[in-house]
Amino acid sequence: QQPVQSPQAVILREGEDAVINCSSSKALYSVHWYRQKHGEAPVFLMILLKGGEQKGHDKISASFNEKKQQSSLYLTASQLSYSGTYFCGASESAGNMLTFGGGTRLMVKP
Amino acid sequence: DAGITQSPRHKVTETGTPVTLRCHQTENHRYMYWYRQDPGHGLRLIHYSYGVKDTDKGEVSDGYSVSRSKTEDFLLTLESATSSQTSVYFCAINPSGRTGELFFGEGSRLTVL
Repeated sequence: QQPVQSPQAVILREGEDAVINCSSSKALYSVHWYRQKHGEAPVFLMILLKGGEQKGHDKISASFNEKKQQSSLYLTASQLSYSGTYFCGASESAGNMLTFGGGTRLMVKP
Repeated sequence: DAGITQSPRHKVTETGTPVTLRCHQTENHRYMYWYRQDPGHGLRLIHYSYGVKDTDKGEVSDGYSVSRSKTEDFLLTLESATSSQTSVYFCAINPSGRTGELFFGEGSRLTVL
């Protein structure tokens, strides 16, 4: 079953923060985050594995709460380049394929 | 650059015709995937492969077949295209193992009239 992402869309001004959530009805082993610009391929951002870890680089970070079966992506002090559609992908075990959420469209305005 | 190329990048065809999309990689990775992307559905896995002649079905495999006779090429075939198969198709590779990060090709936009 497909993970549920929220919100479906968000509009920000440069410098504002945003949180994108990814929830599953099943226990998860790993969560991936990808960003896709219009007309381009999705690009990998980060993987979080079972264990409740938090990761980040630059001003984009993520957390994974396996008890809540949820991951959140945090975008801090957003830049115009952050605009795009963000997808989470979830797998239930080490050998399972990824199932992607429906995506969250993020638009950052000057 | 993950060395993935998809062809054709754009195709318009008619209902009932066969269509083959090609994914070519230059790095000899085992794991390759075909996804389709439709508004509101994100990316849905059609078929995947973990080596030459080793393929398996994904969540939306009906109406599609695949072949992998060489490590570098993964072909997706629509035996008889339908309008519901109008979509953007992405090939992906996984260099680091079954649940590692995916690198996607640039996509193939297919329109079935």
